[in-house]
Amino acid sequence: GAGVSQTPSNKVTEKGKYVELRCDPISGHTALYWYRQSLGQGPEFLIYFQGTGAADDSGLPNDRFFAVRPEGSVSTLKIQRTERGDSAVYLCASSSYWGGENNEQFFGPGTRLTVL
Amino acid sequence: LAKTTQPISMDSYEGQEVNITCSHNNIATNDYITWYQQFPSQGPRFIIQGYKTKVTNEVASLFIPADRKSSTLSLPRVSLSDTAVYYCLVGYTDKLIFGTGTRLQVFP
Repeated sequence: GAGVSQTPSNKVTEKGKYVELRCDPISGHTALYWYRQSLGQGPEFLIYFQGTGAADDSGLPNDRFFAVRPEGSVSTLKIQRTERGDSAVYLCASSSYWGGENNEQFFGPGTRLTVL
Repeated sequence: LAKTTQPISMDSYEGQEVNITCSHNNIATNDYITWYQQFPSQGPRFIIQGYKTKVTNEVASLFIPADRKSSTLSLPRVSLSDTAVYYCLVGYTDKLIFGTGTRLQVFP
């Protein structure tokens, strides 16, 4: 079966613009996660969905960032008024259940966002 | 969530065994220890997870001493394709907390 897919693979935008990043999780996975990775750093947690609801959004850096998962499958990460500091690779992951033992997360290839 | 410390980088040669140690002095009772591997331009990939003693799968072994304050990922007979960044994670929550990882370079 297909893994986690993310579109677009690359996104270049100008400072101040709005962007949407899409994640298609593995079919049947109820948990979906967004991470952000800057060059030379490990991924940084942003938000986690269990089903349609955001179970933990404590990693979102500010109110310019928002994510939705309206039908419990595809998720969209939305960034308003982009800033140069938002440039990073945005990773999506999904897992079949949440918490504790064997919570293996399957990551997509990421979307590289560049804000000029 | 327990903080982890691991070497920034390691070098090895093809065919050798590589051991990467991770320190997690304030690991909690419920915490599991998980290792992920990441290649350039790819998302991290799960390698192995354990709670105590030794865990082995088809690609690696994970050694955890009785006090669980450290753990060692063992990669037998590495190849060039094992060149990657390896992350040690400790926790029992949904979100993964990554450090900066260990950059392993395998030479021919």
